[in-house]
Amino acid sequence: DAKTTQPPSMDCAEGRAANLPCNHSTISGNEYVYWYRQIHSQGPQYIIHGLKNNETNEMASLIITEDRKSSTLILPHATLRDTAVYYCIVGGTSYGKLTFGQGTILTVHP
Amino acid sequence: GAGVSQSPRYKVAKRGQDVALRCDPISGHVSLFWYQQALGQGPEFLTYFQNEAQLDKSGLPSDRFFAERPEGSVSTLKIQRTQQEDSAVYLCASSFLAVSYNEQFFGPGTRLTVL
Repeated sequence: DAKTTQPPSMDCAEGRAANLPCNHSTISGNEYVYWYRQIHSQGPQYIIHGLKNNETNEMASLIITEDRKSSTLILPHATLRDTAVYYCIVGGTSYGKLTFGQGTILTVHP
Repeated sequence: GAGVSQSPRYKVAKRGQDVALRCDPISGHVSLFWYQQALGQGPEFLTYFQNEAQLDKSGLPSDRFFAERPEGSVSTLKIQRTQQEDSAVYLCASSFLAVSYNEQFFGPGTRLTVL
């Protein structure tokens, strides 16, 4: 699976957009980009995934660069409940094994 | 509907004891995963079941770790002769399909502390 690089921590003001970057320069053509988050003392929670095109759901938007070497997760209006560790994951086996890195600790401030 | 449940939520074991951790996946989910999460780290893959078949156990750290899913639903992760380095949160996840892009639903985890 391709390796991902994320900043260890980020801050965001409540109500503002949170933009979380991820580098995955060794991604191969058939590998997906997944984002999960983990709120303290809970299991990880799926947010969104994409292959080539930008994706949007009720939680977030995923912007993937044309060369697919990086992506950005956007939380459009961050709330205090969005404070969590955000994991960018690339690849996965045919059945979907996830290889987590260290993730980005996002802290949303009042 | 219920999500993925795990029991017990907390387990304290003395070094050398055997422990069994249970996972109840979402009904009808084909895929079941076990992950281990050490303090301050991301989860690490342990093993994967497709229905009752254990198709990948490459992440199990030693032969003291054993997992089963005999009827393709509930799964048990067993750790024999626990060691202090086994202290971690053990997470179970399930997904409806056995494909790479399918969302995984995680349980709350079992926190194992080995004294």
